[in-house]
Amino acid sequence: QSALTQPPSASGSPGQSVTISCTGTSSDVGGYNYVSWYQQHPGKAPKLMIYEVNKRPSGVPDRFSGSKSGNTASLTVSGLLPEDEADYHCSSHAGSKYWVFGGGTKLTVL
Amino acid sequence: EVQLVESGGGLIQPGESLRLSCAASGFSVSNSYMSWFRQAPGKGLEWVSMFNPDVTTHYADSVMGRFTISRDKSQNMLYLQMSSLRAEDTAVYYCAKSGYSYAWGYWGQGTPVTVSS
Repeated sequence: QSALTQPPSASGSPGQSVTISCTGTSSDVGGYNYVSWYQQHPGKAPKLMIYEVNKRPSGVPDRFSGSKSGNTASLTVSGLLPEDEADYHCSSHAGSKYWVFGGGTKLTVL
Repeated sequence: EVQLVESGGGLIQPGESLRLSCAASGFSVSNSYMSWFRQAPGKGLEWVSMFNPDVTTHYADSVMGRFTISRDKSQNMLYLQMSSLRAEDTAVYYCAKSGYSYAWGYWGQGTPVTVSS
């Protein structure tokens, strides 16, 4: 049972937008602006896509954006490309528990 | 260029011990926030332990008292000593460097650990 709740799957057609939610509590997502998102292709290491809710590391396309409202964070992928098909994991700083994660969402590009 | 390469994983019996290593290059582990994460088969990521630049260490409740994180500045290495291993410790273990505010920007390729009799 993961601390953060993500939908197990999401999908969209090429060019469309898809939003993945990540729900926590006031002790993690709602309590800190330290939500991050990671992309993981099968058999590969996670890759940081978003940090501090809505900031992108250098090299991450601006098609990826993040937001937060209350205890729920969201990742939006716009202009879907085939290479966006991957698992996406949300994470939040959680005070004395340090970092908590969601169970991951498998994004399928139809 | 930041690189992290884990090693030391394998098949081990319940109750035994194992030490994972993470060789770092392109930066110094002595002034970096470093962590170990794991991912059980078909599951999400789980934070395991962190080593701070001020030499403080932190652990997830699930491994507290069984795992020990350490570093060797001279070798630029990070380690995870795991003892009293259980079946539920079976996972791919990743080491990571922060580099971003409260996020982990650099990851190794992972090393698999299987705890089974």
